[in-house]
Amino acid sequence: AQTIHQWPVAEIKAVGSPLSLGCTIKGKSSPNLYWYWQATGGTLQQLFYSITVGQVESVVQLNLSASRPKDDQFILSTEKLLLSHSGFYLCAWSPQGYTEVFFGKGTRLTVV
Amino acid sequence: TQTVSQSDAHVTVFEGDSVELRCNYSYGGSIYLSWYIQHHGHGLQFLLKYYSGNPVVQGVNGFEAEFSKSDSSFHLRKASVHWSDSAVYFCAVSTGYQNFYFGKGTSLTVIP
Repeated sequence: AQTIHQWPVAEIKAVGSPLSLGCTIKGKSSPNLYWYWQATGGTLQQLFYSITVGQVESVVQLNLSASRPKDDQFILSTEKLLLSHSGFYLCAWSPQGYTEVFFGKGTRLTVV
Repeated sequence: TQTVSQSDAHVTVFEGDSVELRCNYSYGGSIYLSWYIQHHGHGLQFLLKYYSGNPVVQGVNGFEAEFSKSDSSFHLRKASVHWSDSAVYFCAVSTGYQNFYFGKGTSLTVIP
């Protein structure tokens, strides 16, 4: 069975500080990977997607970057946090047929 | 641009009632449709999907959804809800591996 693990569970960070969030997918070879941001109120905004190691495509510009250093790992980062980065970050994967997407438990980020 | 519309932001029913959560989309090509549930503070969980064939699809925990091409809809239904079904429900459209477009969600409250 496939599992998806996100870390950390929650972060409180200062404005201007760096950030690194991660997720690992086990039990699935070459998944499509996604980062989503969910603001208070619930709307989901797709940030990045990746279909293979080393290749990441940006969907929206939010002063964030993403990398896929390994087949099963997806990293979201920024060198300088803004207040607007606060929210719930969700990593997800889909099979090659992209019929559905499976989410991690999320990381709650509070920027102060 | 693909859009997913969930017209009801909030739905409140009593335990044992039936419920229908509405989802309409705008896209002219081949798409995959899916529904997800999000309990407060958690990641999204996949409920069911449709791509082709029988327009009524069954999901977990007694949920089903019906696809209508003429109405561009994919409504979610449950015959008898339980208090534990209280959550936010998201409809999603996928047109390819690049994107899963989500609606704004419908918050379902089940009164015991």
